[in-house]
Amino acid sequence: GAVVSQHPSWVICKSGTSVKIECRSLDFQATTMFWYRQFPKQSLMLMATSNEGSKATYEQGVEKDKFLINHASLTLSTLTVTSAHPEDSSFYICSESGGRSEQFFGPGTRLTVL
Amino acid sequence: GQQLNQSPQSMFIQEGEDVSMNCTSSSIFNTWLWYKQDPGEGPVLLIALYKAGELTSNGRLTAQFGITRKDSFLNISASIPSDVGIYFCAGDNTGTASKLTFGTGTRLQVTL
Repeated sequence: GAVVSQHPSWVICKSGTSVKIECRSLDFQATTMFWYRQFPKQSLMLMATSNEGSKATYEQGVEKDKFLINHASLTLSTLTVTSAHPEDSSFYICSESGGRSEQFFGPGTRLTVL
Repeated sequence: GQQLNQSPQSMFIQEGEDVSMNCTSSSIFNTWLWYKQDPGEGPVLLIALYKAGELTSNGRLTAQFGITRKDSFLNISASIPSDVGIYFCAGDNTGTASKLTFGTGTRLQVTL
């Protein structure tokens, strides 16, 4: 399957600051990548679909101005959590399909907002 | 958003035992995927199912696509300690895995 990396693997920031998370497709040129959020002991919830060269598509209830997504190249999508607050602390995971009918996930980024 | 119901929610089993878990939906899906997630990591794809009634194996794992297309089952035979983790099912109707709906997860713990 596709190989996806994320950076950083964990980040701690102060409330009010912005944090950028990178998602890279290492073996496939991904026109579409996906961003999920997972709270402790819960399932994955899709936040948005990142489209190369165009605007991301956000799921209902996800603030597009707070979670900025940029997909400027076929191998890199970034998620920026702007003005982060403690309630944004979560595990953020990206994925891509590698051109197949499945999704392959990155290792995740643990965000802790103090 | 919609979530698929998985049961059991959690289970403790002894090493060597077989495990069964299932995933049910109120609506039909054309693709069912099973993932395993270890603590602090992203989910890893175990098995993909594309056709109603399909039975697919991957080593000690066997999964079935329910004939009604509203459910799927995952069996693990002869469990070992590294089977510990959370198992998620996911359904898709786009044909390109561009809109996965995830299950609530089954947490598996294996005792020696």
